[in-house]
Amino acid sequence: AQSVTQLGSHVSVSEGALVLLRCNYSSSVPPYLFWYVQYPNQGLQLLLKYTTGATLVKGINGFEAEFKKSETSFHLTKPSAHMSDAAEYFCAVSVSVSGTYKYIFGTGTRLKVLA
Amino acid sequence: NAGVTQTPKFRVLKTGQSMTLLCAQDMNHEYMYWYRQDPGMGLRLIHYSVGEGTTAKGEVPDGYNVSRLKKQNFLLGLESAAPSQTSVYFCASRRLGGRDYGYTFGSGTRLTVV
Repeated sequence: AQSVTQLGSHVSVSEGALVLLRCNYSSSVPPYLFWYVQYPNQGLQLLLKYTTGATLVKGINGFEAEFKKSETSFHLTKPSAHMSDAAEYFCAVSVSVSGTYKYIFGTGTRLKVLA
Repeated sequence: NAGVTQTPKFRVLKTGQSMTLLCAQDMNHEYMYWYRQDPGMGLRLIHYSVGEGTTAKGEVPDGYNVSRLKKQNFLLGLESAAPSQTSVYFCASRRLGGRDYGYTFGSGTRLTVV
């Protein structure tokens, strides 16, 4: 069965520091992986996704993630954190169930950026 | 702007009351989903629809019903609200196609059952 694990429900970084949010997956088929961001009182927005091809994917707002099959990981990074990056981040894997596609979400990581 | 609109944004119910949450999308998407978001549990799928007139259960369907009479609308009903249904509810939609397509989410409905 497919699953997603996000290590660390809360992460704090200083402004300007590296952001690293961890996501590990379990999948019996080649995974399609996604990162979403949720700003306070808003819905989720797609940051980036990995389907096939290049394992380093770039998203919006300077974020990127690297798919590592050997480590079953899809960690999200940003070289320099901004105050505006404070939000909750969700990793998800797309799975096929009964002929349709659904996400399995991780439990989320809340990022706090310290001035 | 095109997107997913949820109404209402906030609601307080008494135990036993009923209500319907409305989700509307104007992107002609085939698939629509209802999720609930609870602290430390991420998003859990309640029900989903793969097209007009079709619905299916997700991982936490008990206590909820849904209908998709029109392609653009997906309704979530609570027949007899319970405090355990206090949550933030999100609707999402995606277009027909492969599993690489992302979802478009609404901004959520915050429901409190007292």
